[in-house]
Amino acid sequence: ETGVTQTPRHLVMGMTNKKSLKCEQHLGHNAMYWYKQSAKKPLELMFVYNFKEQTENNSVPSRFSPECPNSSHLFLHLHTLQPEDSALYLCASSQDRQGGEKLFFGSGTQLSVL
Amino acid sequence: DQQVKQNSPSLSVQEGRISILNCDYTNSMFDYFLWYKKYPAEGPTFLISISSIKDKNEDGRFTVFLNKSAKHLSLHIVPSQPGDSAVYFCAASASRGFGNEKLTFGTGTRLTIIP
Repeated sequence: ETGVTQTPRHLVMGMTNKKSLKCEQHLGHNAMYWYKQSAKKPLELMFVYNFKEQTENNSVPSRFSPECPNSSHLFLHLHTLQPEDSALYLCASSQDRQGGEKLFFGSGTQLSVL
Repeated sequence: DQQVKQNSPSLSVQEGRISILNCDYTNSMFDYFLWYKKYPAEGPTFLISISSIKDKNEDGRFTVFLNKSAKHLSLHIVPSQPGDSAVYFCAASASRGFGNEKLTFGTGTRLTIIP
């Protein structure tokens, strides 16, 4: 398997649930990202990891908690979400955290919070 | 304040004709620009890029033009094919001294190629 794989593809959760999104990249990249895409809005960067270290937290609420156990895996733990958190969550990777380095995206997890 | 703007949410073009997608930016620090293409139920995929030292970059049917004085770039697809129907995102970064976390995306333009 190659590329960036995200699971699950779809997730429906209540506001009191705890769930996790998983991302795995098979490209040997060193940097991994979480993006959020809401309807009619640009992709919003949430978190960046470079060599397993978090290098950016883009003012994301604490109900979103990332985890990067190694360079190939990235998780987004969700807890006590709000309906406005419903969106497409995209994972991406790049060779390094260089400016302009092209990103490789997974297919995303479509999240609905009820 | 959106620093990267794609003012046309949608565009329809006849198969075989030229598709022109536009993107404007406001941050003069941006010096590297990328176009991504997204099909439904898939993540965006990289299409073509251009650095500010150039004003044109071509890759097969795809050409990106950069007008730095106007802070405008455009993606030309010729000839357009039905498989080009997708959402196209423009993205920009200030590469010198910054990482990819500074990559800023537009809202996308949905291109529909009419057979």
